[in-house]
Amino acid sequence: EVQLVESGGGLVQPGRSLRLSCAASGFTFDDYAMHWVRQAPGKGLEWVSHISWNSGSIAYADSVKGRFTISRDNAKNSLYLQMNSLRAEDTALYYCAKGRELSLFSAMDVWGQGTTVTVSS
Amino acid sequence: SYVLTQSPSVSVAPGQTARISCGGNNIESKNVHWYQQKPGQAPVLVVYDDSDRPSGIPERFSGSNSGNTATLTISRVEAGDEADYYCQVWASSINHVIFGGGTKLTVL
Repeated sequence: EVQLVESGGGLVQPGRSLRLSCAASGFTFDDYAMHWVRQAPGKGLEWVSHISWNSGSIAYADSVKGRFTISRDNAKNSLYLQMNSLRAEDTALYYCAKGRELSLFSAMDVWGQGTTVTVSS
Repeated sequence: SYVLTQSPSVSVAPGQTARISCGGNNIESKNVHWYQQKPGQAPVLVVYDDSDRPSGIPERFSGSNSGNTATLTISRVEAGDEADYYCQVWASSINHVIFGGGTKLTVL
């Protein structure tokens, strides 16, 4: 079964850091691009970042650029999101999603259940 | 930056056809993907590359893309189709993924 399981969320004070992880199973992890997508309470989906299969291409939404860093460890079938200088507006459910193909522009065909990040003092 | 515009809500009676639109400048030049999200659940891909369906998605779900508008069409709507629907593209010029604001489908 293809599965993505996020972890690492929690309550954090503004300005602090948090690292999210996504454990992948059931597919050849290094054959696909991966994404982080977030959803603030009661709001729509917002793309955060993506990374190509070999980490050669990475991009970030303007709202997180310079503060968040995406990475992957293909040997561990894992995706990460290092989040620094967190702000209240980063409060959201963070989803890990798998690209349907190797290319970055393919659809996201598998999603995890998400991990909640709350930024508050 | 590239913007995708969706109507906030669409209502349809069971058995009828729902059409959910996604507007964007020359969107026909892009591959459009559609996701269904039910309350408390993760999004599910229902249409990719404008009009293809992943395995397991009913044939009632179809997509089209022309000019400045992409459309997700749900035929013979069922109560279980009630959800939020999001369109998505990849803006190659800025290497960003863009989501539409979402459309809430209500089955009357």
